[in-house]
Amino acid sequence: QQQVKQSPQSLIVQKGGIPIINCAYENTAFDYFPWYQQFPGKGPALLIAIRPDVSEKKEGRFTISFNKSAKQFSLHIMDSQPGDSATYFCAATLPTGGFKTIFGAGTRLFVKA
Amino acid sequence: NAGVTQTPKFRVLKTGQSMTLLCAQDMNHEYMYWYRQDPGMGLRLIHYSVGEGTTAKGEVPDGYNVSRLKKQNFLLGLESAAPSQTSVYFCASSSPGRSNYGYTFGSGTRLTVV
Repeated sequence: QQQVKQSPQSLIVQKGGIPIINCAYENTAFDYFPWYQQFPGKGPALLIAIRPDVSEKKEGRFTISFNKSAKQFSLHIMDSQPGDSATYFCAATLPTGGFKTIFGAGTRLFVKA
Repeated sequence: NAGVTQTPKFRVLKTGQSMTLLCAQDMNHEYMYWYRQDPGMGLRLIHYSVGEGTTAKGEVPDGYNVSRLKKQNFLLGLESAAPSQTSVYFCASSSPGRSNYGYTFGSGTRLTVV
């Protein structure tokens, strides 16, 4: 019930393409759904996040789509660039008991120039 | 601001040795967390703290201990290291607001136990 399932494990797209990363969760108590971006040798950095009462959120070229009834959410990267090559983690946070965050397994994205 | 600082960045331990990983944050955050990152498994929560003097277990606490004697510091201890504890360890902090539960992570400690 605490798991967050993420797919695909890896993704290769051409520059300008729109990579899509999908996540699913079971626990309806999750109240905050962030995405983190991690470059090699660095810690994850918060990229964008959404609350379950919103179906879509855009920040620059990054968009989260959220389907509460299906318990699924996804990240879309518009006009992807080689600099977007990184590992992306979806996550879900419980609103009580320490605001613990459960992470997906990660997707390694490579954007070809 | 430095954000979240982890020391050391790299360490090699022999099986059975002990060590302490230090995390320091300068953002006055109440909450602090220790995660481990292993290939294909994402980040898994080891222990966390909701304030100075408090600690609690996460998903994978066995073999680890923590202490938070000062608000800005969160220490992770390995009393008797095992090869299964070879991993990259990340510390994070947060100050949950009405709409933002996001974490700030340190740059990690890469630990190898031989």
